[in-house]
Amino acid sequence: ILNVEQSPQSLHVQEGDSTNFTCSFPSSNFYALHWYRWETAKSPEALFVMTLNGDEKKKGRISATLNTKEGYSYLYIKGSQPEDSATYLCAKEAGGTSYGKLTFGQGTILTVHP
Amino acid sequence: DTGVSQNPRHKITKRGQNVTFRCDPISEHNRLYWYRQTLGQGPEFLTYFQNEAQLEKSRLLSDRFSAERPKGSFSTLEIQRTEQGDSAMYLCASSPGRGGPTEAFFGQGTRLTVV
Repeated sequence: ILNVEQSPQSLHVQEGDSTNFTCSFPSSNFYALHWYRWETAKSPEALFVMTLNGDEKKKGRISATLNTKEGYSYLYIKGSQPEDSATYLCAKEAGGTSYGKLTFGQGTILTVHP
Repeated sequence: DTGVSQNPRHKITKRGQNVTFRCDPISEHNRLYWYRQTLGQGPEFLTYFQNEAQLEKSRLLSDRFSAERPKGSFSTLEIQRTEQGDSAMYLCASSPGRGGPTEAFFGQGTRLTVV
């Protein structure tokens, strides 16, 4: 994998459904993996910053896992609510002099229908 | 301090005109980043500053783009002789810049439309 890739590109679910997205990234020169939620007309908001292989993080109904050796991360949303509707972005942060600089995937657009 | 602020929120300009955007980061943050997002794509890195020093500029950025961060506070991004391909959302983000990987704090962006 040469770039950060996310799947699916878009997703429509019903309120109460659980869902998950995938982020794949080059495993070389890895420093951290970021997940952001971007609601329309708002700023992208950080959900998680993950660094260690096997990391699992949770915030309310949202959780994420990280596999740095194979270069992927999963984001899970349990019991989706309409307010979860947003674009979910993952980004790889490389190490060395480029730390802090993020390479983003194209995002997954989630729509939760009441 | 309520977060990263960007102005203007929207800008419509005619092709060939120059435009300038402003970003006010969180005051204690040393690092400031500019990204550009076009429809259907994720944000793409443009440039970043550590205090007032511009440390990296994307190879994709043409010479028509210039950014400054005088005195390590606010930053401006100028686009000269705008082209229709410059139409995009321009995002600014800041981070502390030390102490390990931390989240970046984003502004709401400036949406540029070149007609």
